Amino acid sequence: SYVLTQPPSVSVAPGQTAKISCGGYNIGSKDVHWYQQKPGQAPVLVVYENRARPSGIPERLSGSNSGNTATLTISGVEAGDEADYYCHVWDRSSEHVVFGGGTKLTVL
Amino acid sequence: EVQLVESGGGLVQPGGSLRLTCGGSGFTFSNHPMNWVRQAPGKGLEWLSYIHSGSAPIYYADSVKGRFTISRDNVKNSLYLQMNSLRAEDTAVYFCARDGRNGYLDIWGQGTMVTVSS
Repeated sequence: SYVLTQPPSVSVAPGQTAKISCGGYNIGSKDVHWYQQKPGQAPVLVVYENRARPSGIPERLSGSNSGNTATLTISGVEAGDEADYYCHVWDRSSEHVVFGGGTKLTVL
Repeated sequence: EVQLVESGGGLVQPGGSLRLTCGGSGFTFSNHPMNWVRQAPGKGLEWLSYIHSGSAPIYYADSVKGRFTISRDNVKNSLYLQMNSLRAEDTAVYFCARDGRNGYLDIWGQGTMVTVSS
């Protein structure tokens, strides 16, 4: 089955740029979606189809996808960005939704 | 306001059954595929099942195939998850999520807690 690999944690100082990776075999050929989840809350879609943003999501959050790695980039990190982030793809061969293990973003 | 609200969670003994319901409002429910996703305490997201807007096709994660059944009633704007033969490892918050145009999950419910314990 298809596997998505994320780093368990990423730490960044306020105002700096955070990059959260999502690795998978030939992931560049798939559409990747990203979710932000704060403690005790439901996940929120922050990037879809690799780089598109839902309304209300700031431009500071952006996505890219190529080769074997997709990346969520958060520029000018703020305290409110502290959360868990999950990547997600549809694996056509298994007909399964696949989530990455999640990355905890800590703002120092 | 576009909204999903889950209900039906609770405490159940191992081997027991539970039926979760997810009600949709503020959008045309019948136009959207739907999913169930769960999150065990302190763990990541785990996809469970997908149902197309017209109730077919349906897909399941291997961990629940044969034990859980997804269904929907587009007249009642409702999504269901029938869970049988529950195990301790099924303890989690269960979310329903709306499937957007290309598989992304654009609207989530607040979740309902299921605890499997004797």
